[in-house]
Amino acid sequence: GQQLNQSPQSMFIQEGEDVSMNCTSSSIFNTWLWYKQDPGEGPVLLIALYKAGELTSNGRLTAQFGITRKDSFLNISASIPSDVGIYFCAGQLMKTSYDKVIFGPGTSLSVIP
Amino acid sequence: DAGVIQSPRHEVTEMGQEVTLRCKPISGHDYLFWYRQTMMRGLELLIYFNNNVPIDDSGMPEDRFSAKMPNASFSTLKIQPSEPRDSAVYFCASSPGHGATQYFGPGTRLLVL
Repeated sequence: GQQLNQSPQSMFIQEGEDVSMNCTSSSIFNTWLWYKQDPGEGPVLLIALYKAGELTSNGRLTAQFGITRKDSFLNISASIPSDVGIYFCAGQLMKTSYDKVIFGPGTSLSVIP
Repeated sequence: DAGVIQSPRHEVTEMGQEVTLRCKPISGHDYLFWYRQTMMRGLELLIYFNNNVPIDDSGMPEDRFSAKMPNASFSTLKIQPSEPRDSAVYFCASSPGHGATQYFGPGTRLLVL
């Protein structure tokens, strides 16, 4: 079945540093989503991407939909302590009916003040 | 808007007992999803409903799991009998339409002893 891989699995960075993480798939997706999960909470959508090559920003976050439609990237600039959490990528292949969203295993981010 | 509401937030039970998890989706959302999250398997979609009708239950682990949505504002996920390997965080999410963003509830943390 469809599977997503995320790298790195975990990151420990200093406050103020930039962060890059990516997500790859063996399958093509029409939609890429990036979610963040805070400890003890449910995932919250950060950015949604709908077109190959699309680059979208949300504050200090920037995400890109890969040209091959098999990957996506998330960058966080000037990290702060509240960026701590697990970042999930998710892919969806929308055809004529609803296709379920496939989630990656997540990248755990720790920010050292 | 109150967001997706789940209850209970925490549940501890003994093996063999029946467990019922509850979810109230965001008003007006036509899609409702049940997910299970574990360290080993990440976020897995168990089942989803559209307009109260189950559309895809291929992720339900086995017959011990069942889900219902008797009306647009309420859904249950039942495990009977529960087993220790069912211990996980169970999330409910809702979405306003075809291909739209999913909004997650805070989750129910289940521990089966």
